[in-house]
Amino acid sequence: AQKVTQAQTEISVVEKEDVTLDCVYETRDTTYYLFWYKQPPSGELVFLIRRNSFDEQNEISGRYSWNFQKSTSSFNFTITASQVVDSAVYFCALSNRGGTASKLTFGTGTRLQVTL
Amino acid sequence: GAGVSQSPSNKVTEKGKDVELRCDPISGHTALYWYRQSLGQGLEFLIYFQGNSAPDKSGLPSDRFSAERTGGSVSTLTIQRTQQEDSAVYLCASSPRGGGPQAAGELFFGEGSRLTVL
Repeated sequence: AQKVTQAQTEISVVEKEDVTLDCVYETRDTTYYLFWYKQPPSGELVFLIRRNSFDEQNEISGRYSWNFQKSTSSFNFTITASQVVDSAVYFCALSNRGGTASKLTFGTGTRLQVTL
Repeated sequence: GAGVSQSPSNKVTEKGKDVELRCDPISGHTALYWYRQSLGQGLEFLIYFQGNSAPDKSGLPSDRFSAERTGGSVSTLTIQRTQQEDSAVYLCASSPRGGGPQAAGELFFGEGSRLTVL
């Protein structure tokens, strides 16, 4: 069985602070994919990133960065110099390679509130 | 429109009534998914359609739930004899390709249909 845990239910930061959203996953598969999605107040989930289990290189995209560590089964997401527009619920998700590759297992989400 | 369209955006119904939720995927997307988001919960997979293949119904919580996809495009999720625990946001997503590692996970979501069962 697959499981994704996002222990942080809600985080509040002041604009320009850095913030890290934690994600811990469980899977028995050796090949799998990890994702982050953003859900703004409009409700529409927006894809942010996909990593496969063979690629542990960290990735940076503008103010966003992701730290994938297989040794700790974690895929953490850091927002540098946060902005009010970053306020949203962020979901970490996991998919295996077999069967329906896009049948994602989602965590419960972390609500990020960025204030001025 | 260019995105995934869902209707109704909000639906309030009485316990025991049937409801239908509609999803219009992005044109050309062959894969379509339904997820359910309950308050304080993550997204729960319900059903997946890929082209003309038999749908993956493994996530449907009971036989009161069913879904169909006509002509490989529009999908309807039907909940019969609704219960209060069915109250949730029902999200539809589509993907340009289904299955396989290259397509894994990059789903395009609609804004959801919020269902409230009184």
